[in-house]
Formats: sequence, structure tokens, C-alpha cells
Amino acid sequence: VIWMTQSPSLLSASTGDRVTISCRMSQGISSYLAWYQQKPGKAPELLIYAASTLQSGVPSRFSGSGSGTDFTLTISCLQSEDFATYYCQQYYSFPRTFGQGTKVEIK
Amino acid sequence: QITLKESGPTLVKPTQTLTLTCTFSGFSLSTSGVGVGWIRQPPGKALEWLALIYWNDDKRYSPSLKSRLTITKDTSKNQVVLTMTNMDPVDTATYYCAHRKYSGYDYFDYWGQGTLVTVSS
Repeated sequence: VIWMTQSPSLLSASTGDRVTISCRMSQGISSYLAWYQQKPGKAPELLIYAASTLQSGVPSRFSGSGSGTDFTLTISCLQSEDFATYYCQQYYSFPRTFGQGTKVEIK
Repeated sequence: QITLKESGPTLVKPTQTLTLTCTFSGFSLSTSGVGVGWIRQPPGKALEWLALIYWNDDKRYSPSLKSRLTITKDTSKNQVVLTMTNMDPVDTATYYCAHRKYSGYDYFDYWGQGTLVTVSS
């Protein structure tokens, strides 16, 4: 099983801030990583796959980087609609696993 | 347009078997590369990957739950069914089904709205 450490678990930020979320793997996964956004009471939505490829329709202020064991999700200029919880997911090996989530809250 | 919707009981008793149905449209599980997965989320907690079924009937399960899970598909009905035996209060969660993106890789681009299942006597 690949263990994932997502940090921070809680991030307080203001509109317009640049924020970064980290996802670290217990072993290398090449670029087999996806990022999701989840708002309260809603299903997750795919933001990024293959570590850095933006899903169609996702604003360009979202970006992903990394490979191997260390990955980052960056929101370049935080908007009000971006306050949510973010999850990483590896699909390199079974079982597929999710990170523990990072909640981005208003500072 | 791809849509998925979960259905099943909202309340089950401990030791009972849970059966959830994912009814989808906009794709066919007989098409090469297609897959449908189940993911759950206990209240206030993180997502947990449960199982995935592919167009060729290959099935994958979370090792920690494998003995309790069965995933099946009915291509003619556009449905995927997940059964989980011996339910326990810790299994209380929102259960989601999701569509595997047409990429050959196991991440999900479309999700159902989720269904909250409470396990209580």
C-alpha cells in the first residue's frame, strides 16, 4: 500500500493569496497523481491528473507539479469559490489511495 | 453527458449486508477502457477508495475491505452494484460511484452525488 501524506491539513488564506498544498508518497509513483476539490455536501471534482495536466474547464490559476514522491497543488490567486477541501489520489498501484485532505479556509 | 447516481438504503443495521446501485448514463461499460469505481467518505473524514470494475469485468478491491466487498456490473441496465457484508457503525459514510476517465488510468472525472448510509441498530 502506498501511503500518502498531505500537508497542511488546514490552510488559512485570504482571497488573492498564492497557496500551495503538498502531497508526499511513501514510494515513487512517477506522475500518476490526481487532485480533486470538494466543497461541503458535494462530490469531489477532478482538477488535475498526471500530476500537472489541468482537467477541461478548470481555471488556469490551478496548477500541479512534481513526480516521484513529492507533488504540489498551487492556486496562484485564491478566489472565493476556491475555499474547499483538496485531495490528492495516486493511481500508480493498487489499492488506489487518497490523501487525508487539505481544507482551505478563509483567514 | 455523463451522469451517475447512487441508490440504496439510508439505514442498515449492524451485521447486515449493504447493497448499493450506481445507475449511469452517457457511457457504456461494454466499451473498452471504461471503468466505474466506488469511494466512500465518513462524516467529516477523508475519501476512501473501495473498488473498481472495468469494461472487461476485471475487478479490484481495497485490501482492507476485500473480504466484505463485491462489485458487479449489469451492462444492459447501465448499472454497477456494490455489496458490503457485515456492516458496522464505522461503515457509516457517504458512498460515491464515479466514472474512470477515458484515459486508461484510474482517476475519476465524473462522480455521483453520493448517498449517505448510516449503520445503527
